[in-house]
Amino acid sequence: DAGITQSPRHKVTETGTPVTLRCHQTENHRYMYWYRQDPGHGLRLIHYSYGVKDTDKGEVSDGYSVSRSKTEDFLLTLESATSSQTSVYFCASREIDNSPLHFGNGTRLTVT
Amino acid sequence: AQTVTQSQPEMSVQEAETVTLSCTYDTSESDYYLFWYKQPPSRQMILVIRQEAYKQQNATENRFSVNFQKAAKSFSLKISDSQLGDAAMYFCAYRSAYTSGSARQLTFGSGTQLTVLP
Repeated sequence: DAGITQSPRHKVTETGTPVTLRCHQTENHRYMYWYRQDPGHGLRLIHYSYGVKDTDKGEVSDGYSVSRSKTEDFLLTLESATSSQTSVYFCASREIDNSPLHFGNGTRLTVT
Repeated sequence: AQTVTQSQPEMSVQEAETVTLSCTYDTSESDYYLFWYKQPPSRQMILVIRQEAYKQQNATENRFSVNFQKAAKSFSLKISDSQLGDAAMYFCAYRSAYTSGSARQLTFGSGTQLTVLP
């Protein structure tokens, strides 16, 4: 969808290890987002970006950091993974404020 | 902060029948957008339909239509002539029309899992 690629698609990691999830989009969209999806909660915003090096926190940002050094790439980092961060992570992007949100296919992260 | 509530965690419908999924939201804003997204087992998030709050006319996309009741803050999705391929998790979402800061984000409900029975 709209050329959004997330990697990896699945990952299993141990508690305390750092993890980086990658999102790459080929549409030159200005806005990019990271969501996590958990049963009973729908999708919740972790962080978002409104341009290169411009990022801000969402509602569940604790334990996560992001970086956007290029328009096409948005990285999500878990500095020290915890079991509560086991989830499915979605990246999304949008061209302008009123355009539709396009999603990647998600990364399933399991922290053991 | 805005909240979106989907009170039906699961629903089922017979193939070819009609089903309505409920969504309510809470906001103090007058201008906003509402969405229904479909998530099949592939995990892909697919936009089904979108409604602008300033439009009184309910949005329609083929077999999908909404009943938007602004005063009641209700936004239900009706699927007509249900097909096996409609089986999925459906999410209702809200976005402010104001463009500053976190207002750009979507706020999602918790989802309704729809099963289509052959």
